[in-house]
Amino acid sequence: KAGVTQTPRYLIKTRGQQVTLSCSPISGHRSVSWYQQTPGQGLQFLFEYFSETQRNKGNFPGRFSGRQFSNSRSEMNVSTLELGDSALYLCASSPGLTDTQYFGPGTRLTVL
Amino acid sequence: AQSVAQPEDQVNVAEGNPLTVKCTYSVSGNPYLFWYVQYPNRGLQFLLKYITGDNLVKGSYGFEAEFNKSQTSFHLKKPSALVSDSALYFCAVRDGGGGYQKVTFGIGTKLQVIP
Repeated sequence: KAGVTQTPRYLIKTRGQQVTLSCSPISGHRSVSWYQQTPGQGLQFLFEYFSETQRNKGNFPGRFSGRQFSNSRSEMNVSTLELGDSALYLCASSPGLTDTQYFGPGTRLTVL
Repeated sequence: AQSVAQPEDQVNVAEGNPLTVKCTYSVSGNPYLFWYVQYPNRGLQFLLKYITGDNLVKGSYGFEAEFNKSQTSFHLKKPSALVSDSALYFCAVRDGGGGYQKVTFGIGTKLQVIP
């Protein structure tokens, strides 16, 4: 099976812009989670989707949003970008809500 | 609220020596525990997990972890370290005690294996 894919791999934006990141889960996986990884902060949970419904949300401002489509693919959007949003954004998929998560390679977002 | 602590930012070990990467957790229900490894510029790779059963869990690449309920610990171990094991290791926990809980990750421990 193909692994989790994330596009794009690298992104450079300027403050105030918005960005959309995409994640395609492993075939058959219905749960998709998003994390923000920054040096010194580890992985911070953004949100998790299962069957097109957001099941849990982390402590991020409303500028961070996401959605999941009927084919389980997921997107996350960040509006009004700030310098502090520069990070590696990781997507993980799992068959169900309590199963092992499998991670994609991440999207490296740089905000200038 | 659930939490994970990895008390060491970095662990240095000589090649061929045993290694231990420490993890302690806090959950209100039964813990689902995971270890992941991250190589530079890569996503996280799953190593092993504990859900229930034997306290000693064996995983990928010769790694194992021991679940200790009384000490709320889930330390990662390997009998003989390889230089290629040098990477960032993350411990994670999900509360399996009813309802749905997110996965919480530790801050990571950098493992440096010295030739």
